[in-house]
Amino acid sequence: QVQLEESGPGLMQPSETLSLTCTVSGFSLTSNGVGWVRQPLGKGLVWMGTIWAGGSTNYNSAVQSRLSISRDTSKSQVFLKMNSLQPEDTGTYYCARHRATEGIGDYWGQGVMVTVSS
Amino acid sequence: DIQMTQSPSLLSASVGDRVTINCKASQNINKYLNWYQQKLGEAPKLLIYNTNNLQTGIPSRFSGSGSGTDYTLTISSLQPEDFGTYFCFQHNSWPLTFGSGTKLEIK
Repeated sequence: QVQLEESGPGLMQPSETLSLTCTVSGFSLTSNGVGWVRQPLGKGLVWMGTIWAGGSTNYNSAVQSRLSISRDTSKSQVFLKMNSLQPEDTGTYYCARHRATEGIGDYWGQGVMVTVSS
Repeated sequence: DIQMTQSPSLLSASVGDRVTINCKASQNINKYLNWYQQKLGEAPKLLIYNTNNLQTGIPSRFSGSGSGTDYTLTISSLQPEDFGTYFCFQHNSWPLTFGSGTKLEIK
């Protein structure tokens, strides 16, 4: 069955670089996109970016200068890297399967909470 | 960026009620509109994609409609398990954007 699982550090310092991993199973990264969505505590959802089946990426312009999404298809892993972290980057980060015509999120990971604090 | 305005932000309804949640886009999104339900501490769940397509496994009491800039999620007969927060999402134009959410409470 399709599964996604995020992993990464829970606590970060301001100005550090966040690295998250999304490990997928039950589908191929060469046939499906994977996107990242952030949710500040108690707030709404923000699409951050997506890596597509062909390896191309799209980013939210609000974080594009700080964000990089990549993948290792042999390991079925998608990576999020975001630099220059600030306290407002605190929140739960989800990865989700992203289909080009149907949109994001027919399958989601459970999310990983990231706190940016000194 | 396309702004997605949801209304109401808070909704209280009784079991059996017909419930509608609205989402208005700041420009035409060509029916590329999805609806998600999220419960506290859980990932969102896709209910409806592309305005009116029911995601596999979602009960038929959920339905969607709309076109252009105006979209609606309808729950035909509210069930106790339908509490949570509902989000709309447009995937017509970059950056993709979510609505701010509608919290649905069961009376």
